[in-house]
Amino acid sequence: GAGVSQSPSNKVTEKGKDVELRCDPISGHTALYWYRQRLGQGLEFLIYFQGNSAPDKSGLPSDRFSAERTGESVSTLTIQRTQQEDSAVYLCASRPRGSYEQYFGPGTRLTVT
Amino acid sequence: AQKITQTQPGMFVQEKEAVTLDCTYDTSDQSYGLFWYKQPSSGEMIFLIYQGSYDEQNATEGRYSLNFQKARKSANLVISASQLGDSAMYFCAMREGHGGTSYGKLTFGQGTILTVHP
Repeated sequence: GAGVSQSPSNKVTEKGKDVELRCDPISGHTALYWYRQRLGQGLEFLIYFQGNSAPDKSGLPSDRFSAERTGESVSTLTIQRTQQEDSAVYLCASRPRGSYEQYFGPGTRLTVT
Repeated sequence: AQKITQTQPGMFVQEKEAVTLDCTYDTSDQSYGLFWYKQPSSGEMIFLIYQGSYDEQNATEGRYSLNFQKARKSANLVISASQLGDSAMYFCAMREGHGGTSYGKLTFGQGTILTVHP
């Protein structure tokens, strides 16, 4: 079946602009996560959605970052007034109920110039 | 807070030999899980193996095995019979939460770059 998809695959933006990153999880997966991976680093947790529960936003680095999810489908991560330190690969993962394994998308590479 | 430490920035191994990638962790949770993911140069994250904190047997998946030493808080990945295609970045990660409805947030280590020589 189809895996997790993310769009765009690459995004170059000017400092100060807003960007929206999209994640389409695997159908039926109730949990959705966003992570950030800076060059040569491990993944940092950003935010977690589980069904209709309130999202866990504890990993968002600043109030410029926000995310939404419509039910158990698409999620968007929005970064307002982008800064150069926001340059990274943003990875989305989804997880089915009752399983520990997270299935990752290919990521969006964000470059802020 | 949970923490994952991978002390080997890079490792080299000869094709067909075995290699161990180190991972130590720190948590105050009684219930947790440990993962290994492979990230090739293409950037995708590939799940390799999972070990639950209450699992009595070490996890194995084909050529991958996880050497879980709970008292030492270590969860080393052993790759047997290395192949050229094993060259990649390897991440150890830990989930918090418990049960089938685990919260599941993952904390990752910094990774180890494995290079397999022919």
